[in-house]
Amino acid sequence: GEDVEQSLFLSVREGDSSVINCTYTDSSSTYLYWYKQEPGAGLQLLTYIFSNMDMKQDQRLTVLLNKKDKHLSLRIADTQTGDSAIYFCAERDTGGFKTIFGAGTRLFVKA
Amino acid sequence: ETGVTQSPTHLIKTRGQQVTLRCSSQSGHNTVSWYQQALGQGPQFIFQYYREEENGRGNFPPRFSGLQFPNYSSELNVNALELDDSALYLCASSFGQTGNTIYFGEGSWLTVV
Repeated sequence: GEDVEQSLFLSVREGDSSVINCTYTDSSSTYLYWYKQEPGAGLQLLTYIFSNMDMKQDQRLTVLLNKKDKHLSLRIADTQTGDSAIYFCAERDTGGFKTIFGAGTRLFVKA
Repeated sequence: ETGVTQSPTHLIKTRGQQVTLRCSSQSGHNTVSWYQQALGQGPQFIFQYYREEENGRGNFPPRFSGLQFPNYSSELNVNALELDDSALYLCASSFGQTGNTIYFGEGSWLTVV
């Protein structure tokens, strides 16, 4: 079945780069997403990548997609304390009707 | 701001009661989907509405039902509430049945006691 897995926690120092990793199972996924959720809030769409792309860069964010290994990563350059949040990896299923989320990676940024 | 608004933001219900949650989609978006996010977990897909019809459903029982109106706003109804229904309910809007950019509202926190 469809599944998305992420590591639960990541701690970095302010100014360092953060790399959040994700694996997924549906090789037919069309789009893969990264969402950010701050405490008590909804989901903020950070970026997404189409499955025929290897990389996408958007300001401090770099997404890498290894379709062979079904591995997605999000790199945040120059991580700031305001980046502390939960980051969700998600895939759009083959039929395109639902988005399947991982359990989220909690990013802690130490000043 | 995503332009997706949900109401109410918080509510408390008693086991066995019924609840209705509301969502207004982003301007120009004709597709609304609903997700349930239990504490400490990722969102789980409940169902999607496109042009007033349900066109996709996750693993949720029939007591979870919905509506989409001509203006593309939507309601999620949950009957016979159970304690495990306590969660954040998120509405998301997009354009088209398989739109790639999906924007979420701030959610409705439901507590069942």
